[in-house]
Amino acid sequence: GAVVSQHPSWVICKSGTSVKIECRSLDFQATTMFWYRQFPKQSLMLMATSNEGSKATYEQGVEKDKFLINHASLTLSTLTVTSAHPEDSSFYICSARDRSGPSYNEQFFGPGTRLTVL
Amino acid sequence: QQQVKQSPQSLIVQKGGISIINCAYENTAFDYFPWYQQFPGKGPALLIAIRPDVSEKKEGRFTISFNKSAKQFSLHIMDSQPGDSATYFCAATVAGGVTFGTGTKLQVIP
Repeated sequence: GAVVSQHPSWVICKSGTSVKIECRSLDFQATTMFWYRQFPKQSLMLMATSNEGSKATYEQGVEKDKFLINHASLTLSTLTVTSAHPEDSSFYICSARDRSGPSYNEQFFGPGTRLTVL
Repeated sequence: QQQVKQSPQSLIVQKGGISIINCAYENTAFDYFPWYQQFPGKGPALLIAIRPDVSEKKEGRFTISFNKSAKQFSLHIMDSQPGDSATYFCAATVAGGVTFGTGTKLQVIP
């Protein structure tokens, strides 16, 4: 079945540094990928929609200059948290949609990346 | 994002019992309603999903009941097992990203 991977699975960084998180669709092509953020004991909140070859679409309240998204290929999207601060510490999860699959609306989620900013 | 309301927030069920989680939505444009299971420190995994033209879908011990007129849907877990202990999210989607419910933490006790 459709598999989505994320790297790294966890990262600790100092305040003010930038962190890049990769999201890959391993066995299918994903023209659209999504990035979510989840705080402890809360639901997932959509941050942005990443379209291959075009600019990402950000949800209201998400700073596009802070959360840089690049979707350079059909199997890879990256999220870069720039000048990270402790309040950016969260669980970041990506998902990908397999347009060629039988359920075109179905999204496959990655395992998540735990970011801790000191 | 359009809101999806979910209840209860937490649920304790004895092994072998039925777990029931309810959700309601407002946006009639939603056309796909998945349920996700999430274990601590892991990403959500698709459990079962339904489209609004179907009133019920069953897969093994998991059943979705869908009431389009009431804009409500629910997940029933039959013969609940300790391994089912996790957080469950209902969700709704149309063309964009998934809108998640607030989550239900299910604990199945032996």
